[in-house]
Amino acid sequence: QVVLTQSPSASASLGASVKLTCTLSSGHSNYAIAWHQQQPQKGPRYLMRLNSDGSHIKGDGIPDRFSGSSSGAERYLTISNLQSEDEADYYCQTWGTGEVFGGGTKLSVL
Amino acid sequence: QITLRASGPTLVKPTQTLTLTCTFSGFSLSTSGVAVGWIRQPPGKALQWLALIYWDDDKRYCPSLKNRLTITKDTSRNQVVLTMTDMDPVDTATYYCAHKSPTTFHWGQGTLVTVSS
Repeated sequence: QVVLTQSPSASASLGASVKLTCTLSSGHSNYAIAWHQQQPQKGPRYLMRLNSDGSHIKGDGIPDRFSGSSSGAERYLTISNLQSEDEADYYCQTWGTGEVFGGGTKLSVL
Repeated sequence: QITLRASGPTLVKPTQTLTLTCTFSGFSLSTSGVAVGWIRQPPGKALQWLALIYWDDDKRYCPSLKNRLTITKDTSRNQVVLTMTDMDPVDTATYYCAHKSPTTFHWGQGTLVTVSS
């Protein structure tokens, strides 16, 4: 089964940009993924579906500050002009024979 | 507007069977490509997929929990039911249901289930 790997933590300054990475396991570099955000003490929110060619479809109401890109087995979430409310856990997810989540990245906004 | 709500007991005893119901609106589970799934999150831990059921009744389960899980749908009532047998304190978590289609995803409101004697 496919495995998704995420760094446990990341940090960036208010107003800056940050790029979070989700890596697909060997043999699955053509898989699409989804990105989800979970703010503290809240339920998750769907951000976007990200295809292997870098095209992405965002969820309703997701600001333009959030974008996705792809390179090989890597899937990226870039957040520009960081706001305090972007401090959250970010999860990637994919599907194939079954559904899988990555372990999540905790983003701190300094 | 797509909405989903998970409901069920807030407290179950060890070894009991948990039954959760996801009631949804704004879409039909008979539409091609649509699925409803269950995800859980133990306190302070990551999200974990449990089960997924497609419009055509195809079902997918988390491999490590497959023997304990059953997912069913009632299209006419807009409900999906998850049962999990032999509950243990480590199964204490917030349980979410979600809508999935080829182009989008919607999270429902979760429900906290505590397993304790």
